[in-house]
Amino acid sequence: GAGVSQSPSNKVTEKGKDVELRCDPISGHTALYWYRQSLGQGLEFLIYFQGNSAPDKSGLPSDRFSAERTGGSVSTLTIQRTQQEDSAVYLCASSLEPSGTQYFGPGTRLLVL
Amino acid sequence: GNSVTQMEGPVTLSEEAFLTINCTYTATGYPSLFWYVQYPGEGLQLLLKATKADDKGSNKGFEATYRKETTSFHLEKGSVQVSDSAVYFCALSLPNTDKLIFGTGTRLQVFP
Repeated sequence: GAGVSQSPSNKVTEKGKDVELRCDPISGHTALYWYRQSLGQGLEFLIYFQGNSAPDKSGLPSDRFSAERTGGSVSTLTIQRTQQEDSAVYLCASSLEPSGTQYFGPGTRLLVL
Repeated sequence: GNSVTQMEGPVTLSEEAFLTINCTYTATGYPSLFWYVQYPGEGLQLLLKATKADDKGSNKGFEATYRKETTSFHLEKGSVQVSDSAVYFCALSLPNTDKLIFGTGTRLQVFP
């Protein structure tokens, strides 16, 4: 594809449910990032995948958050037992190489009721 | 810790006015600095970047100079257009970490 794609574009869920957010990076990009954009916290880093290296999970806010990247391409961010404070726009970005320009997807807007 | 501070918005200007959006940073080591822009209904896009002191990033008439002595990376444009209306984010990344640390964003509104 031409750019980073994310699905779904919008997700409404009830408190306590699990959600999965998907990211398709630009083909050939080795690095993949997840960020969260919320009213209270601004734009914050969540997790970073680079090739076959262990991911940098230092930004995950709690153990309810996890992410995986299968086959070095598609990534899924999972939030278990969602809380209202998880409501935010979740952004995915990819770059051709470490320290390269990050290209962002359109985001998934998550609303937890 | 590492952080980015940028001016509160919204910034409201008339078309063809001069724009400055201030950005200062705190970082251990020598960061790369970025300005990203988010147009209404669109995703974040890289506007410009600078990777070392005294570098000037430029794109679409926007400029920013990496000032190590004042730890700043202010965004400027000589003559704004209505189409520049967007939210602008200043960000840094540190060597060997690659993750971006963003400021809170500044909304720019340009009126004809």
